[in-house]
Amino acid sequence: GIQVEQSPPDLILQEGANSTLRCNFSDSVNNLQWFHQNPWGQLINLFYIPSGTKQNGRLSATTVATERYSLLYISSSQTTDSGVYFCAVTIYNQGGKLIFGQGTELSVKP
Amino acid sequence: DADVTQTPRNRITKTGKRIMLECSQTKGHDRMYWYRQDPGLGLRLIYYSFDVKDINKGEISDGYSVSRQAQAKFSLSLESAIPNQTALYFCATSDFNGRAYNEQFFGPGTRLTVL
Repeated sequence: GIQVEQSPPDLILQEGANSTLRCNFSDSVNNLQWFHQNPWGQLINLFYIPSGTKQNGRLSATTVATERYSLLYISSSQTTDSGVYFCAVTIYNQGGKLIFGQGTELSVKP
Repeated sequence: DADVTQTPRNRITKTGKRIMLECSQTKGHDRMYWYRQDPGLGLRLIYYSFDVKDINKGEISDGYSVSRQAQAKFSLSLESAIPNQTALYFCATSDFNGRAYNEQFFGPGTRLTVL
């Protein structure tokens, strides 16, 4: 089956720093989403981005479907950005189920 | 009000007990999903449903059953809970636009502990 790999697995930043999280996938995908899981366990939708680039405030994402990767950019990080960031994909003819990567755990220090 | 709700939010139970987790949505989506998350890992699919008459197993369905009571309601049951079913459980919804699956939305999660 498809493999979804995220890097780095862990990241520690000082407040105000920028970061780039990467998601590689091993096959063609129908859909790609980025999520933030906050310390209380809730999954927050960040981007639905099967291809192209989107921006939402300090966050932006780019998916290059032909090269099978997506990037999540966090600029001017804040302590509230801490948590785990997941990339997840759906593939054709699989009922729309999301296949998750293992996540990147981000810690932003004040 | 939240679009996808789950009850209960937290539950502690004993081995062998029957447990039901419930999910409701107001997004009008036809597709609903149950996922499980173990500590330090991503989510894995337990069951999914396209409508009230269409239920499908996911990758880790053993030990679980589901019921789609209505388009808006999808419940997950553990017939006889065991400790390795201790996990965070999420319900999710989405729809299909004819070519691709649209964005999937998650409930707040149910933290289940089986002693």
